[in-house]
Amino acid sequence: AQRVTQPEKLLSVFKGAPVELKCNYSYSGSPELFWYVQYSRQRLQLLLRHISRESIKGFTADLNKGETSFHLKKPFAQEEDSAMYYCALSPPSSNTGKLIFGQGTTLQVKP
Amino acid sequence: DAMVIQNPRYQVTQFGKPVTLSCSQTLNHNVMYWYQQKSSQAPKLLFHYYDKDFNNEADTPDNFQSRRPNTSFCFLDIRSPGLGDAAMYLCATSRDRRYEQYFGPGTRLTVT
Repeated sequence: AQRVTQPEKLLSVFKGAPVELKCNYSYSGSPELFWYVQYSRQRLQLLLRHISRESIKGFTADLNKGETSFHLKKPFAQEEDSAMYYCALSPPSSNTGKLIFGQGTTLQVKP
Repeated sequence: DAMVIQNPRYQVTQFGKPVTLSCSQTLNHNVMYWYQQKSSQAPKLLFHYYDKDFNNEADTPDNFQSRRPNTSFCFLDIRSPGLGDAAMYLCATSRDRRYEQYFGPGTRLTVT
């Protein structure tokens, strides 16, 4: 079964602290993985995708095929990072571009 | 300069009364997706259009239909809404399959 698991519903950290949002996936093959973010009162938007291997707003995510994980990390959290974060998988085999989302983690960065 | 527009933002309908949700885009993207997101759950793909080709997910109930009269517009029709269909409905577009998806703000559907 194709599944994305985000074990934490809420992650609360202080400003300046490191952040790691966990994401594990279940897929037999090489998936395409994404992190989407939804800031308060804004629409869901792409934060980063694993094939780009880029850092966006200080966030990075490394695909670990052995652990089937794609955790999102930032060394120093900022208050403006507070948002809902969704990890998503797109199965290349489906050729539809469909996204399979995790249930999301709310990141709360306290001053 | 909204790129993916959903109307209405909030929709209340009665049990069993057909309802239509609207999505429009100014991006001229080929693909349009409809996701359903129930409370505290992950968004779940219902179906998508690749140009004029309709692609239904295997587990999407027959109660849900979609129309895409032109590139810019896509509609989600719920023929006989049940209480379990209350959810946020998200429209997304992408230039092609496996490209970044751009989401609309969503329509929150309440069924009374």
